[in-house]
Amino acid sequence: DGGITQSPKYLFRKEGQNVTLSCEQNLNHDAMYWYRQDPGQGLRLIYYSQIVNDFQKGDIAEGYSVSREKKESFPLTVTSAQKNPTAFYLCASSITGTVNSPLHFGNGTRLTVT
Amino acid sequence: AQTVTQSQPEMSVQEAETVTLSCTYDTSESDYYLFWYKQPPSRQMILVIRQEAYKQQNATENRFSVNFQKAAKSFSLKISDSQLGDAAMYFCAYRTFNTDKLIFGTGTRLQVFP
Repeated sequence: DGGITQSPKYLFRKEGQNVTLSCEQNLNHDAMYWYRQDPGQGLRLIYYSQIVNDFQKGDIAEGYSVSREKKESFPLTVTSAQKNPTAFYLCASSITGTVNSPLHFGNGTRLTVT
Repeated sequence: AQTVTQSQPEMSVQEAETVTLSCTYDTSESDYYLFWYKQPPSRQMILVIRQEAYKQQNATENRFSVNFQKAAKSFSLKISDSQLGDAAMYFCAYRTFNTDKLIFGTGTRLQVFP
C-alpha cells in the first residue's frame, strides 16, 4: 500500500544536539511538506518542496533545515538554533500543480528535547 | 496575510445530534480550495471534505457537509447524526492556485457524548 512513513514515532534528544526526522513516501508525489503542531496553534508550515533539489521556507523555518535529494525522501533536521524544538512534527505529500489534491500525512514524530 | 480562523476551541455534541464547526479565512485570491481535516487521538490527519471556491454548490460526504459562503469567507462544517467516532480535533485549511501551501486554522476539539 502506498503511504508516508515517518520515523521514529518518538524521539528524545538533549538540548544543543541536532536531530533529523525521517519522512519517506511511495505515492510518487512531487510535493512534500513539514508541519509542526503545538497545542492551541494548529499546524504551522516549516518547509516544503515541490520538486527534487528544490525547497522553500514556510512560516516558521528558523532553526530547521531540509534536503530533497530524492523524490521519495524529505528529511527534516532540527538544529540547536531552534529555541523550542519540543513538538509534534507531521510530514505530508501531494501532487504538484493541482490545488484540489489533498495532502496525505504521515503518522508524525513526537520530538522531546530536554 | 493569509489566515484561517477557527473561533471555537472546543465543541460538544450528543450522539445522533448535529453540530456545526465554524471557520473563516482571509485571502486576496479568487480561486482556491478549502478542506476540513480530522485528527483523532491517534493523531493521524484524515481528509473529511473539500470544496472548490468557484463552485457554489456545497460539498457533501455522507454525514458531513459544508456551508460555504464565499463573500463572507466562511466555510463551516456540519456533522449530522454524530457518532462517538467523530470525536477528534477538526482543522479547517485552504490552498490557493498560486502556491502549493496548505494553510491551517488552530483547530476545534469535538467531544461526542453518548
